[in-house]
Amino acid sequence: SYVLTQPPSVSVAPGKTAMITCGGNNIGSESVHWYQQKPGQAPVLVSYYDSDRPSGIPERFSGSNSGNTATLIISRVEAGDEADYYCQVWDSNIDHVVFGGGTKLTVL
Amino acid sequence: QLQLQESGPGLVKPSETLSLTCTVSGGSISSSSYYWGWIRQPPGKGLEWIGNIYYRGSTYYNPSLKSRVTISVDTSKNQFSLKLNSVSAADTAVYYCGRLEGDYWYFDLWGRGTLVTVSS
Repeated sequence: SYVLTQPPSVSVAPGKTAMITCGGNNIGSESVHWYQQKPGQAPVLVSYYDSDRPSGIPERFSGSNSGNTATLIISRVEAGDEADYYCQVWDSNIDHVVFGGGTKLTVL
Repeated sequence: QLQLQESGPGLVKPSETLSLTCTVSGGSISSSSYYWGWIRQPPGKGLEWIGNIYYRGSTYYNPSLKSRVTISVDTSKNQFSLKLNSVSAADTAVYYCGRLEGDYWYFDLWGRGTLVTVSS
């Protein structure tokens, strides 16, 4: 089955740009979605269809997807962005949802 | 505004069946644009997809759980349900229900989650 690989952790200083990657075989041909999960809370969709933003999500959140890597980009990082982030695709070969292992974003 | 709420026992004995219900409020479960799904998260670990159901009853299951999982829907009650049989401690997790957009397959709405502990 399809495997999505994320780095366990990423650290960034406030005001800088965080880039969280999601690796997969030819992931550029898939639609990639991203979720933010803060401690004790349910995940929240922050990016879908590679780079679209749900209503209410700040423009600081954006996405890209090409080749074997998709990336969630968080500009002008704030302390409130500290959370776990998960990428997700739909594996159309066997019709099921796949999540990446998650990345913990630490704001220094 | 559509909301989802999980309900069910918080404690299940090993080898028994875990049963949860997700109630959809503020909108209809009988929408042609969405599927309805279950996701779980063991303590301190990542997200694991369990399965999805369409309001007409078609289902998709995680192959690793398929032999133990049944997801059903009751449109008259605007609810869908999860049954996981022969549970063990490894099934201890927060269980979430969610709405899955059916064109690009992402969860745009989530319930708050409910912790289910498997223990005697």
